[in-house]
Amino acid sequence: NAGVTQTPKFQVLKTGQSMTLQCAQDMNHNSMYWYRQDPGMGLRLIYYSASEGTTDKGEVPNGYNVSRLNKREFSLRLESAAPSQTSVYFCASKEDSPLHFGNGTRLTVT
Amino acid sequence: GESVGLHLPTLSVQEGDNSIINCAYSNSASDYFIWYKQESGKGPQFIIDIRSNMDKRQGQRVTVLLNKTVKHLSLQIAATQPGDSAVYFCAESPLYTGGFKTIFGAGTRLFVKA
Repeated sequence: NAGVTQTPKFQVLKTGQSMTLQCAQDMNHNSMYWYRQDPGMGLRLIYYSASEGTTDKGEVPNGYNVSRLNKREFSLRLESAAPSQTSVYFCASKEDSPLHFGNGTRLTVT
Repeated sequence: GESVGLHLPTLSVQEGDNSIINCAYSNSASDYFIWYKQESGKGPQFIIDIRSNMDKRQGQRVTVLLNKTVKHLSLQIAATQPGDSAVYFCAESPLYTGGFKTIFGAGTRLFVKA
């Protein structure tokens, strides 16, 4: 089925550990996004990639890095995880209009 | 500053009744508004959108109303069903972002009572 696929679905890290969240879309969309969602809050943009080869900071980029590996894939890396990065992370893609979201990665940093 | 806010954090309706979820936005430069539905454990899913050159748009059982004068957006769900229980987010896409950025409100949780 067409859509946005995120891996892993769940992850527990210790403070200071690193990890990469993977995202792939098969809709041939140019733009891809990483959001985080915290309880009682809407989604906040971490980084986005308007097209292959470009990345830009969003609202809350500190502590994260991204790589637009190719048109399909956009990864999010936490170099040294902190408890404040405990959240649900959503990847999304779009071409012209609404965002298409994956089902999220639930990350807990202890 | 940029913000998209919601008037009510939760809304409880009886099955079969109509639901209205409200949203205020602050950015006059936004030209595109979207409603998303998020079910537990899933990502947000597109419901309906509207451009700033319209004041009403209808879908299947859903209607979005846009009042640019008071910067207000609403989502109406007709004959609400248990499957409509979810968190609903309004979002806006300001012109100055070239359509690349979408700003989300905090969400309203809709409970449908059987």
